[in-house]
Amino acid sequence: GAVVSQHPSRVICKSGTSVKIECRSLDFQATTMFWYRQFPKQSLMLMATSNEGSKATYEQGVEKDKFLINHASLTLSTLTVTSAHPEDSSFYICSAFGPVPQYFGPGTRLLVL
Amino acid sequence: GENVEQHPSTLSVQEGDSAVIKCTYSDSASNYFPWYKQELGKRPQLIIDIRSNVGEKKDQRIAVTLNKTAKHFSLHITETQPEDSAVYFCAASKGGSSNTGKLIFGQGTTLQVKP
Repeated sequence: GAVVSQHPSRVICKSGTSVKIECRSLDFQATTMFWYRQFPKQSLMLMATSNEGSKATYEQGVEKDKFLINHASLTLSTLTVTSAHPEDSSFYICSAFGPVPQYFGPGTRLLVL
Repeated sequence: GENVEQHPSTLSVQEGDSAVIKCTYSDSASNYFPWYKQELGKRPQLIIDIRSNVGEKKDQRIAVTLNKTAKHFSLHITETQPEDSAVYFCAASKGGSSNTGKLIFGQGTTLQVKP
């Protein structure tokens, strides 16, 4: 199957700092990528849809100024958590949509102290 | 808005028994229904999917059924094994001309298969 990578796999940061997470589709071009957040023992919640060359579409309740998404190429989307706070600690997973089905990245575990 | 309900939240079965997980969806335009298995700390892995033009699909011990009229679909695992223990998520998505690829996930079912 298709491969989606995510970097970093784990990050610990201090409150108030910004963290960038990269999502790459390694062997196919992804016109659309999705960013999800998953809290412990909960489901995946869609945060935003990232389309190459255009602005991301955010789900209701997700602050676009806090979660900056850039999809500069067909193989790379980045999520930047700005001014991170402890409540932003979560498992962030991207997925890439080319042909159905979607393929998920391995996830990034963010811990904000 | 779009919503997917999944039941049960936890399911415990004896090895060799069958397990059934059910989901209902609210958006009648949904026509793609994947099921994912997620082990602790890992990414969701697609295990089976079904499109709305098909009522049932089977892959070895795993099968999915879809009832479009009732807007519900189910995952069936037969001859369960301890390695089937994981969290299972259903999801729904729109296809065709309105295809956004956006997946709406159910709440998840923690399946425990006891040896």
